[in-house]
Amino acid sequence: DAEITQSPRHKITETGRQVTLACHQTWNHNNMFWYRQDLGHGLRLIHYSYGVQDTNKGEVSDGYSVSRSNTEDLPLTLESAASSQTSVYFCASSKTVTDTQYFGPGTRLTVL
Amino acid sequence: GEDVEQSLFLSVREGDSSVINCTYTDSSSTYLYWYKQEPGAGLQLLTYIFSNMDMKQDQRLTVLLNKKDKHLSLRIADTQTGDSAIYFCAEGANNAGNMLTFGGGTRLMVKP
Repeated sequence: DAEITQSPRHKITETGRQVTLACHQTWNHNNMFWYRQDLGHGLRLIHYSYGVQDTNKGEVSDGYSVSRSNTEDLPLTLESAASSQTSVYFCASSKTVTDTQYFGPGTRLTVL
Repeated sequence: GEDVEQSLFLSVREGDSSVINCTYTDSSSTYLYWYKQEPGAGLQLLTYIFSNMDMKQDQRLTVLLNKKDKHLSLRIADTQTGDSAIYFCAEGANNAGNMLTFGGGTRLMVKP
């Protein structure tokens, strides 16, 4: 079955380190999104992509970057992890601009 | 910017109906969604409604939309303990390229 996966599911890192979170979908969806979930804030959009080589900044993009070299993957990189980036990160994808988004299981990141 | 508000918490008894409310500010919203998040899991799409609809029913779920008041509700009939979760309301607009704005989530607790 087609699906969307994230790895790792849990990650602990230190302040200042570079961290990359993986997102992989097998639906051949054009659109992919990264969100972070924090208490009291719901989900906030970090970056999104409408297709290969396309990336866009979301509401809370500072300190994060993404790249889209193929349809299936949208890795999220924290260039220099900060404690404020401790959060649960969700990846999502949708087929077209008007289609529903489907979410991965999430990655819990702790920055010490 | 757009804003989506939900109450934080709702407690009901098993067998009763649950009503989770949501308000939003973006008058250009095209789609409104309800997602369910169980502990330690990702977001699961429950249902969605187009902005030109007033109501949508899907088994135990009824979504009501008052576009004039920008108010969305999710009614769960015959609530079960398995319905205990966090429920997120989200709005999206065609002219915003399928980007979603989420509410902070409502934690539903179902007591036996």
